[in-house]
Amino acid sequence: EVHLVESGGGLVEPGGSLRLSCATSGFIFSGHTMNWVRQAQGKGLEWVASIGSSDIHTFYADSVKGRFSISRDNAKNSVYLQMNSLRVEDTAVYYCARDIPFSSFDMWGQGTLVTVSS
Amino acid sequence: DIQLTQSPSFLSASVGDRVTITCRASQVINNHLAWYQQKPGKAPKLLIYSAFNLQSGVPSRFSGSGSGTEFTLTISSLQPEDVATYYCQHLHTYPLSFGGGTKVEIK
Repeated sequence: EVHLVESGGGLVEPGGSLRLSCATSGFIFSGHTMNWVRQAQGKGLEWVASIGSSDIHTFYADSVKGRFSISRDNAKNSVYLQMNSLRVEDTAVYYCARDIPFSSFDMWGQGTLVTVSS
Repeated sequence: DIQLTQSPSFLSASVGDRVTITCRASQVINNHLAWYQQKPGKAPKLLIYSAFNLQSGVPSRFSGSGSGTEFTLTISSLQPEDVATYYCQHLHTYPLSFGGGTKVEIK
């Protein structure tokens, strides 16, 4: 069975940093692009970042470009999101999701809450 | 960048009604579109992939259609457990994006 479990969320002050992790199991992790998606309270879904299966190709939403960095460790079946220079507007639940190219995000984690506040 | 416009943003219908949600893309995205259902406090759940393919385990009352720039999600007979917010997403090119969502309630 496929599992994705996010961790690392919490309360951080504006300007601070946080590193999210997504541990996966039940599938060939190295064969899939992985993604981060976020959702602010009461708002819609926002794609944040994607990383290709080989770690060479990364893509970011304009809202986080230059501040966030996505990475992966295929030996640990995990994907990460390093978030720097955090802003109040980055407050959201962050989900990791498995990618089927041009088709869908077919599996999602349960999410981890990031709160940026002084 | 490709924008997705979902309509309506809110929908109230009776049990057994046929419900249709529309997603319009700002440029051609072939069939590179997915539909998700999200219930409060839960992660999104994939319903339809590649515009019209039903994800395994999803009830057959859900269907997707369309190609190019116009797509629809149809619930053939609305059930109480279908109360949720529905999102479309394009996977045509980066940056990826989601529609604004359609909240479905029972009248």
